[in-house]
Amino acid sequence: DAKTTQPPSMDCAEGRAANLPCNHSTISGNEYVYWYRQIHSQGPQYIIHGLKNNETNEMASLIITEDRKSSTLILPHATLRDTAVYYCIVRVTEYGNKLVFGAGTILRVKS
Amino acid sequence: DTGVSQDPRHKITKRGQNVTFRCDPISEHNRLYWYRQTLGQGPEFLTYFQNEAQLEKSRLLSDRFSAERPKGSFSTLEIQRTEQGDSAMYLCASALRGALETQYFGPGTRLLVL
Repeated sequence: DAKTTQPPSMDCAEGRAANLPCNHSTISGNEYVYWYRQIHSQGPQYIIHGLKNNETNEMASLIITEDRKSSTLILPHATLRDTAVYYCIVRVTEYGNKLVFGAGTILRVKS
Repeated sequence: DTGVSQDPRHKITKRGQNVTFRCDPISEHNRLYWYRQTLGQGPEFLTYFQNEAQLEKSRLLSDRFSAERPKGSFSTLEIQRTEQGDSAMYLCASALRGALETQYFGPGTRLLVL
């Protein structure tokens, strides 16, 4: 699976949009971009995934660049409960495929 | 609650003891994964099952570790002769095999080996 690069930490004001970047310059054509987050002492929580089109669900939006070498996870109105470690993962999904987690980005939402 | 459940949530044991953890996946999910997470790190893959078959094991899974999923439903992870280095959070995830497989995680079992 392709390697991802994320900033180690970010701060965001409560109520503002949180934009979390991820670089995956070696991504292959059949690899999806997945985002998970992990709130302190809990298991990782699935957020969203995409291949090449932008995606939106009730939690977040995922913007993938046209060349697919980077993406941004957007939390439109961050709350204190969004404080967590956010992991960007790229993987092929056709197979029983383990998730390879990096260090992620610690997002701190501040009031 | 229809999510992934794990039991126990916390376990403290003495070095050399055996421990067993249980994971109950989301109903009808045929894939089940085990991960381990140490402090400050992302989760690391240990092993996974498709139904009752164990299809992949990480090099992290030493001979002291064994996992089973006897009827393709719940799974157990046993650690024999625990060592202090086994102290970690053990996470279970389940998924439904398909083209867009998404893994859903349980709350984890936190193990402390004294």
